[in-house]
Amino acid sequence: DAGVTQSPTHLIKTRGQQVTLRCSPKSGHDTVSWYQQALGQGPQFIFQYYEEEERQRGNFPDRFSGHQFPNYSSELNVNALLLGDSALYLCASNPQGRGEQYFGPGTRLTVT
Amino acid sequence: ILNVEQSPQSLHVQEGDSTNFTCSFPSSNFYALHWYRWETAKSPEALFVMTLNGDEKKKGRISATLNTKEGYSYLYIKGSQPEDSATYLCAFIMGNTDKLIFGTGTRLQVFP
Repeated sequence: DAGVTQSPTHLIKTRGQQVTLRCSPKSGHDTVSWYQQALGQGPQFIFQYYEEEERQRGNFPDRFSGHQFPNYSSELNVNALLLGDSALYLCASNPQGRGEQYFGPGTRLTVT
Repeated sequence: ILNVEQSPQSLHVQEGDSTNFTCSFPSSNFYALHWYRWETAKSPEALFVMTLNGDEKKKGRISATLNTKEGYSYLYIKGSQPEDSATYLCAFIMGNTDKLIFGTGTRLQVFP
């Protein structure tokens, strides 16, 4: 049984570009949450998707958007990239948003 | 602004030493407190999900306690081993949300 998977592993983008990160949840999980971890900080909640809708959102600008597909996989899109968007982006899943979260290995985004 | 604070920031101990870390969180509108272990180059892994004041949970040599009235949780590791080396994160969930609010973590290094 595959756990949470994320792609790509690493990504380098230029300021102003757009990026899409992908996440497949653990089998049987219908809720996906996205987190940003900047250097020296704990993961910061971006948003959570359940039944293909954004259910909760953290304090991130509208440049950060997402999507959840019928198979529960999810995408995180970031537009107009800034240098400060450089971080590790983690995806986590759990059933109906409750209980422990299962994390993927993350996508390391570098904006130059 | 909700703050979750962890101390110490980092800890170096000898194999066999026992150690403990602290997580402080807002005492109002508590729903749950999670502990995660994050080893280098791996995904964060849940250790405990704690919901009731006075909860004590144990997994092998690791245990945790919870005081929701004063807003703190302790994580204890008895007889530390080199494989316990990791960053230990706590995360707080408020009653009306599903989002994890993480602390910055305690980085533990156990020397043989």
